[in-house]
Amino acid sequence: GDSVTQMEGPVTLSEEAFLTINCTYTATGYPSLFWYVQYPGEGLQLLLKATKADDKGSNKGFEATYRKETTSFHLEKGSVQVSDSAVYFCALSERGGSNYKLTFGKGTLLTVNP
Amino acid sequence: EPEVTQTPSHQVTQMGQEVILRCVPISNHLYFYWYRQILGQKVEFLVSFYNNEISEKSEIFDDQFSVERPDGSNFTLKIRSTKLEDSAMYFCASSEIQTQYFGPGTRLLVL
Repeated sequence: GDSVTQMEGPVTLSEEAFLTINCTYTATGYPSLFWYVQYPGEGLQLLLKATKADDKGSNKGFEATYRKETTSFHLEKGSVQVSDSAVYFCALSERGGSNYKLTFGKGTLLTVNP
Repeated sequence: EPEVTQTPSHQVTQMGQEVILRCVPISNHLYFYWYRQILGQKVEFLVSFYNNEISEKSEIFDDQFSVERPDGSNFTLKIRSTKLEDSAMYFCASSEIQTQYFGPGTRLLVL
């Protein structure tokens, strides 16, 4: 079945540092890929997505490129802020019948210190 | 901006009691989902719902669980007889096609 493997956390960075959170996936077909973010005490917010190979999703300074050859969708940001502290989830979705259920990675806790 | 809403935000119940978690999906969305997240663990798929019927359910979604879209706007998850291990955050999500938007969740605590 489908699966998503994320880099184990927690990740602790100083403000303005470069961020990479690795994500690789296993899927039978051609999934769409997503990053969701969960701020403390809140629900899941869509951060960015990519629906086909070589697509780059971007939002709020975060980027991730859909790499079919390496089955990866690594999340990057050039300069993190304290407000980026959250849990980040990589996820994939494949159409299966009449649904597009999401399969999530375990999540990576990011803490950014001033 | 339209959003998914969920009520209640927190629910405490006794083991063996029935609970109903409520969700109002985004109005033009066609696909509806429930997920759960046990504290400190990953988000797990429970069930998907399309065209007024379940389209897929996970192994977690046993006979104690049911879903309903009673009135064209609400989407509910019922747990008939709660167990301690049902304690988790439950998220509702909806989508027009593939991209899902999540509600803020209901934190369920079973004592």
